[in-house]
Amino acid sequence: NAGVTQTPKFQVLKTGQSMTLQCAQDMNHNSMYWYRQDPGMGLRLIYYSASEGTTDKGEVPNGYNVSRLNKREFSLRLESAAPSQTSVYFCASILTSLDRGREQYFGPGTRLTVT
Amino acid sequence: SQKIEQNSEALNIQEGKTATLTCNYTNYSPAYLQWYRQDPGRGPVFLLLIRENEKEKRKERLKVTFDTTLKQSLFHITASQPADSATYLCALAGPEGNTGKLIFGQGTTLQVKP
Repeated sequence: NAGVTQTPKFQVLKTGQSMTLQCAQDMNHNSMYWYRQDPGMGLRLIYYSASEGTTDKGEVPNGYNVSRLNKREFSLRLESAAPSQTSVYFCASILTSLDRGREQYFGPGTRLTVT
Repeated sequence: SQKIEQNSEALNIQEGKTATLTCNYTNYSPAYLQWYRQDPGRGPVFLLLIRENEKEKRKERLKVTFDTTLKQSLFHITASQPADSATYLCALAGPEGNTGKLIFGQGTTLQVKP
């Protein structure tokens, strides 16, 4: 199993450009999450999908949109990138949000710089 | 709103000693708490989960305690090794029921010197 994969690994955008970060998991997990990590701020939840077909806002959703394409894939879109969105983005998944399987599995991250 | 705090200063210890990291939280009572390890340039990796009705959990050289009265978790690494050097993240279950959402602390960097 590859676990959680993310593409691209690195990206540089100019202000106003758009892009989509891709995330896929091959563990048959139900729930998926997008975080951003900034120095001194810890991981902050952008959006999550508790199950296929549902998405909900997290702590910092402004400037982002998501799509849960199917059970495996959860993409994050920046419609008009801003320098404040320079960050490291992590995707994560869990087997279930019920009593068991709550540990999150993370991808390797996408390092995004907006100039 | 929920607040979770970890010591932002790096913890430097000598190989063989026990490292103790602290996680404090305010404003609500999480159903469970998790600890993750993060190496530079990589995603976090799950280490341990402890539930609100558990006082202590162990896994090999790792031990986690959960004091819901003090609203604090302690994470111990015994017989520490240079390979244990990393950033350790504390995460609390979000209050919104069964969404699997976590609230993360900012992490504490541990440096184990040989």
